[in-house]
Amino acid sequence: AQKVTQAQTEISVVEKEDVTLDCVYETRDTTYYLFWYKQPPSGELVFLIRRNSFDEQNEISGRYSWNFQKSTSSFNFTITASQVVDSAVYFCALSENYSGNTPLVFGKGTRLSVIA
Amino acid sequence: DGGITQSPKYLFRKEGQNVTLSCEQNLNHDAMYWYRQDPGQGLRLIYYSQIVNDFQKGDIAEGYSVSREKKESFPLTVTSAQKNPTAFYLCASSLDPGRKNIQYFGAGTRLSVL
Repeated sequence: AQKVTQAQTEISVVEKEDVTLDCVYETRDTTYYLFWYKQPPSGELVFLIRRNSFDEQNEISGRYSWNFQKSTSSFNFTITASQVVDSAVYFCALSENYSGNTPLVFGKGTRLSVIA
Repeated sequence: DGGITQSPKYLFRKEGQNVTLSCEQNLNHDAMYWYRQDPGQGLRLIYYSQIVNDFQKGDIAEGYSVSREKKESFPLTVTSAQKNPTAFYLCASSLDPGRKNIQYFGAGTRLSVL
């Protein structure tokens, strides 16, 4: 069975601090996708990144970076120089089927509050 | 603008009543999904459909029903059998070829019981 664990329920940081959101996953498949989504107060989930299981290269997009480590089954998300607009709930998710449209398995989310 | 439209934004259900949540997409996506979100919980899958006229149950399908008669539409009915329907409901869609299961979400419907 697949499972995604986000151990941090809530995090508060002061603006301009760096923050890392943890994600640990479990799967028996050798091919899978990992995702991060952002849910602002409006409620709609916004796609941030998808990573496939064969690509362990870290990725950076502006102030966002992702660290995928297959050895520890982790896919952590770091926001550098956080801003108030980063305040949201962040979800990590897993898709086990490498091809085709399949549902995502979500973690319970981490609520990030960035204080000015 | 292309996207996923959920309506209504807020919905109230009376005891014993069935209510239907609408989800429409104009992205030409093949697959559509319904998730339920409770406070402090992640999203849990209710139903999903990979093609028209076909759908599969998710982890918490009891008390819900769906139909997929058109590619663009995937309505969710919350039946009276669902004893705890108060939640935030999110619809999503995805296109497989070349997009590899990235799901795009609507703005959600918040359902409450009167």
